[in-house]
Amino acid sequence: GNSVTQMEGPVTLSEEAFLTINCTYTATGYPSLFWYVQYPGEGLQLLLKATKADDKGSNKGFEATYRKETTSFHLEKGSVQVSDSAVYFCALSAPRSGNTPLVFGKGTRLSVIA
Amino acid sequence: EAGVTQSPTHLIKTRGQQATLRCSPISGHTSVYWYQQALGLGLQFLLWYDEGEERNRGNFPPRFSGRQFPNYSSELNVNALELEDSALYLCASSFPLIAYEQYFGPGTRLTVT
Repeated sequence: GNSVTQMEGPVTLSEEAFLTINCTYTATGYPSLFWYVQYPGEGLQLLLKATKADDKGSNKGFEATYRKETTSFHLEKGSVQVSDSAVYFCALSAPRSGNTPLVFGKGTRLSVIA
Repeated sequence: EAGVTQSPTHLIKTRGQQATLRCSPISGHTSVYWYQQALGLGLQFLLWYDEGEERNRGNFPPRFSGRQFPNYSSELNVNALELEDSALYLCASSFPLIAYEQYFGPGTRLTVT
């Protein structure tokens, strides 16, 4: 079946550090890939997406490239800020996803300290 | 434009009771999704409603049920509450043909004692 695996957290970084959160997937067909972010006390927000191989999604300084050959969609940011502290979820949407159009990873908590 | 709203924000129940959680989708969205976010377990898909019909449900017992009203708002009911039902319950909505782009509400924190 379809699944998403994220690196386990928590991840703690100093302000202005480089961020990478790894995400790999297993899917039938050709999935679309997403990163959602959950700030403290809030619901999830769509951060960025990529719908086909080699696409790069970007938003708010975050980027992720859809790598079909390595089935990966790693999230990166060149210089994190304290306000980026949140939980980040990688997700996929694939044809015949079964129960739900979106399959989520377990989330990675990021804490950025000043 | 108003986002997805959920009520109540917090709900405290005792084991064996019933809980009712409510969700209003973004205007124009006809699909509603419910997820359970228990501590350390990520998001577990619960239910999916579209145009008033249940499209599918996740791997949860029948005491988790819900419905979608003609105005596309939705209700999640949890009967015979158990301690492990304590979690954040998130509702999301989307346009029916863009089901992967879901907009989430802030959630209802259910605590079962």
